Amino acid sequence: NAGVTQTPKFRVLKTGQSMTLLCAQDMNHEYMYWYRQDPGMGLRLIHYSVGEGTTAKGEVPDGYNVSRLKKQNFLLGLESAAPSQTSVYFCASSYDSSSGNTIYFGEGSWLTVV
Amino acid sequence: AQSVTQLGSHVSVSEGALVLLRCNYSSSVPPYLFWYVQYPNQGLQLLLKYTTGATLVKGINGFEAEFKKSETSFHLTKPSAHMSDAAEYFCAVGEIAGGTSYGKLTFGQGTILTVHP
Repeated sequence: NAGVTQTPKFRVLKTGQSMTLLCAQDMNHEYMYWYRQDPGMGLRLIHYSVGEGTTAKGEVPDGYNVSRLKKQNFLLGLESAAPSQTSVYFCASSYDSSSGNTIYFGEGSWLTVV
Repeated sequence: AQSVTQLGSHVSVSEGALVLLRCNYSSSVPPYLFWYVQYPNQGLQLLLKYTTGATLVKGINGFEAEFKKSETSFHLTKPSAHMSDAAEYFCAVGEIAGGTSYGKLTFGQGTILTVHP
């Protein structure tokens, strides 16, 4: 059971560098999300997608871009990394249902920007 | 906008004691409510959720939570703590937009549960 898979798991970047985090889900979910987790702040939504080819801004979208070219993949890009983007990033997915969405999370990607 | 407040960033209990993790939310419409658990260096795992119906919700690992609309609360409890319950717990409220939930969650800041022998 792969579920939600994130790559890479760990990365150190220099300020100004760019990188892409890849998220893949094998549950045929329509909805995918990128969250960041910072100490004492819980998880905050960066961007989300309600289907292939669609993306939308979440709570903290600045400095990030996303793409959903294939239903199973959701990419998070940092064009010019800043130390404030040091965080743990979680991808998640869900299948909308009338009983309320259960969101499934990946295991996280630890990003350090120096 | 919805918000979630978890009272107490750290809770410490003895093994076998009652676990009570507090969560209060604000929402202009009936919410979906969730509790997630995160073990060190892992992702979040759903413990339980409330959508509609019975206000006492049972989840995995012996946890349960009660939705109290009048108190805007969704506290998490477990009668007897185990060492394996040590983790960080997150309360979250789901956004409902136009009758269809897109599954966006607003999280509380988390409560770290420590269980002593």
